[in-house]
Amino acid sequence: NAGVTQTPKFRVLKTGQSMTLLCAQDMNHEYMYWYRQDPGMGLRLIHYSVGEGTTAKGEVPDGYNVSRLKKQNFLLGLESAAPSQTSVYFCASSYLTSGKETQYFGPGTRLLVL
Amino acid sequence: KQEVTQIPAALSVPEGENLVLNCSFTDSAIYNLQWFRQDPGKGLTSLLLIQSSQREQTSGRLNASLDKSSGRSTLYIAASQPGDSATYLCAVEANAGKSTFGDGTTLTVKP
Repeated sequence: NAGVTQTPKFRVLKTGQSMTLLCAQDMNHEYMYWYRQDPGMGLRLIHYSVGEGTTAKGEVPDGYNVSRLKKQNFLLGLESAAPSQTSVYFCASSYLTSGKETQYFGPGTRLLVL
Repeated sequence: KQEVTQIPAALSVPEGENLVLNCSFTDSAIYNLQWFRQDPGKGLTSLLLIQSSQREQTSGRLNASLDKSSGRSTLYIAASQPGDSATYLCAVEANAGKSTFGDGTTLTVKP
């Protein structure tokens, strides 16, 4: 099992450009999450999904869109990148949230917006 | 709004020392609390998960405790090793699918 993988690992964008970050998991997990990690602010939830075809907003959803067309994939889109979106983005997945299941994290995508 | 605080932000100890990392949270209505380890430039790895009905969990040299009423958790690391050097984060899940993370404690274990 590859676990949770993220593509790309690193990207530089210019302000206003768009891009899509891909997260894939091979553990048949129902729940998937996108976080961003910034110094002094911890990990903050951007969007999450409780199953194929469903998405929900997290703590900091503005400027991002997501899609979960297939159970194993969760895409994070930036339509018009801004310097404030410079961050490290982590995807995670879990089987379900009954209080008993841990989240498995990908290696992260480093995004620099100039 | 749930807030999670970890103290200290950084800790440096000599090899072999026992140590305690602290995590506090403001809302005691939680599903679980997790401790994660993050190595530089890497993702998070789950160390221990304590369900809301539990008081502690142990894995090898690690022991995590949970006191919901006081909004506190501790991660105890016994006989620390240089390989334990990393950032340790705690996270509380208060709503299904939503976890709140602390900023982490960066641990350095000196040989």
